[in-house]
Amino acid sequence: DAKTTQPNSMESNEEEPVHLPCNHSTISGTDYIHWYRQLPSQGPEYVIHGLTSNVNNRMASLAIAEDRKSSTLILHRATLRDAAVYYCILRDVRSSGGSNYKLTFGKGTLLTVNP
Amino acid sequence: ETGVTQTPRHLVMGMTNKKSLKCEQHLGHNAMYWYKQSAKKPLELMFVYSLEERVENNSVPSRFSPECPNSSHLFLHLHTLQPEDSALYLCASSRWGDSSGNTIYFGEGSWLTVV
Repeated sequence: DAKTTQPNSMESNEEEPVHLPCNHSTISGTDYIHWYRQLPSQGPEYVIHGLTSNVNNRMASLAIAEDRKSSTLILHRATLRDAAVYYCILRDVRSSGGSNYKLTFGKGTLLTVNP
Repeated sequence: ETGVTQTPRHLVMGMTNKKSLKCEQHLGHNAMYWYKQSAKKPLELMFVYSLEERVENNSVPSRFSPECPNSSHLFLHLHTLQPEDSALYLCASSRWGDSSGNTIYFGEGSWLTVV
């Protein structure tokens, strides 16, 4: 699986935008970029995913570099509830061997939101 | 509420006990997963079931025994565990074979302590 690199931790203030970076220089053309987050004492939850174009949903935006070697998760206005570990994960969705189901988690970025 | 329910949320067991973790999904999915999250370690995929057939056993010791009686239920039977098996056990589900980068939904986890 292609690897991702994220900062160990980041800090933000409430009501301000947060840009969480992810480097994935060995990404392949069939890798989707997924973001999940894990709030304290809970299981991970899906945030957003994309392939080449930037994506928006009610939770966040995903900005993907033109060469796809990096991406940024954008929380437009951080709230205290957004304090979590954010995981950037690559998923190869080729169906060979059924391996497209795998989510391989790294250490993620611990986001602290200050009131 | 993610649509994936795990019970019990907390379990303390002795090394000679036999217990089971239960997972139920109400999302109409046909793939289910067990993940393990130890303190200060990334999530590790343990088992994957697709259409009630096990498709992956990620080198998990035999003291962990999964069971998937139907597409909505998944169990993890535990016996003669070791203290190092204490961890958060997460169940998840998804649609199998969706090549668009389908989302995996996690339960809130079962905290297991082996004494």
